Amino acid sequence: DTGVSQDPRHKITKRGQNVTFRCDPISEHNRLYWYRQTLGQGPEFLTYFQNEAQLEKSRLLSDRFSAERPKGSFSTLEIQRTEQGDSAMYLCASSLGWAGGVGEQYFGPGTRLTVT
Amino acid sequence: KQEVTQIPAALSVPEGENLVLNCSFTDSAIYNLQWFRQDPGKGLTSLLLIQSSQREQTSGRLNASLDKSSGRSTLYIAASQPGDSATYLCAVGSGGGADGLTFGKGTHLIIQP
Repeated sequence: DTGVSQDPRHKITKRGQNVTFRCDPISEHNRLYWYRQTLGQGPEFLTYFQNEAQLEKSRLLSDRFSAERPKGSFSTLEIQRTEQGDSAMYLCASSLGWAGGVGEQYFGPGTRLTVT
Repeated sequence: KQEVTQIPAALSVPEGENLVLNCSFTDSAIYNLQWFRQDPGKGLTSLLLIQSSQREQTSGRLNASLDKSSGRSTLYIAASQPGDSATYLCAVGSGGGADGLTFGKGTHLIIQP
């Protein structure tokens, strides 16, 4: 396993369209995170899974955003009715977690979304 | 709400110099702190992870320290090289691991050949 992978790497879509991104974490990692990064800013946390359970959602994650992690493996992030403000880099990360602690987060290369 | 600040925002130094990047955070109830580098248009590469019970971590020319009580961390880079040019991001984990990492805006570092 060579690390976290994301697909697609780039996505251009028109306002109002739906888009879906995929993340494949490091295989033995039980925790998976989604972040969003805009130009000149650090990444901002969106949501988090432990195995297949979505345990935390940021207030940044509006009702147009939905994430899933079926069977605790890969994850998808869907944005419905995209807006120009959704243009950003969407980053996925994974880590090992255990009772009382969490390990290093490893990030994928990101999906750059441009909404025209 | 956790806030992370990185100083300076940008730094340009000649090759070979030792340098220090600073990170401060407002809530000392963290479980770990990570330093990353990010090259333009790319994802994040993890450099060092410091658990809350640790004071420092070292990897090659990099050394990161953590003073949880004062809400500060530093990343020391020894004998800088042009390949070290990148944006360096500090991120803290809090909330029992469920809240994800809170990032600073980064320090944009340029090493002049």
